[in-house]
Amino acid sequence: NAGVMQNPRHLVRRRGQEARLRCSPMKGHSHVYWYRQLPEEGLKFMVYLQKENIIDESGMPKERFSAEFPKEGPSILRIQQVVRGDSAAYFCASSPQESEQYFGPGTRLTVT
Amino acid sequence: KNQVEQSPQSLIILEGKNCTLQCNYTVSPFSNLRWYKQDTGRGPVSLTIMTFSENTKSNGRYTATLDADTKQSSLHITASQLSDSASYICVVRGKTSYDKVIFGPGTSLSVIP
Repeated sequence: NAGVMQNPRHLVRRRGQEARLRCSPMKGHSHVYWYRQLPEEGLKFMVYLQKENIIDESGMPKERFSAEFPKEGPSILRIQQVVRGDSAAYFCASSPQESEQYFGPGTRLTVT
Repeated sequence: KNQVEQSPQSLIILEGKNCTLQCNYTVSPFSNLRWYKQDTGRGPVSLTIMTFSENTKSNGRYTATLDADTKQSSLHITASQLSDSASYICVVRGKTSYDKVIFGPGTSLSVIP
């Protein structure tokens, strides 16, 4: 059973471009969470999704950020018109029910 | 406001020594508390989990304690190894209708030879 997969592992975007981060949860897991970690800081919750539903997006910036977890395929975190402040590590975690979250390796986004 | 605080922010110890990391939380109602280890450049990995009724939980050289009355937890590492160098994160889950968790800021541990 492969762990949580995230790709790409590293992503470089120029200011104004779009960034698309993908997360494939562990097999059998229907809950997905996205976190952002700025350099030298702790993880900050962004959004919690179940298949085709956003359960909690209280940590998501109101503009430019969106997330989805379609019935088929990976969860996508999309950042439009990226700015330098978006540079961070973005971690995805998954869980089967209300239980332990298993983390992926993260995507490191660099905005130049 | 629900919060999880950790101390110290960073710690340097000699290989072979013991250390204790602290976590204070105000999350209420409380479901469980986990300690995660996050190596540089990697995602967090769970070390221990404790529910309200548990006082201590061990995982090899890692021992976590929980005092639900004072809302404090500690992570004790014995006979530290160089590979213990990492960030240790205290994570508290509230008892809400969905499993939202609150992450502490982490303690950065450096074990030096």
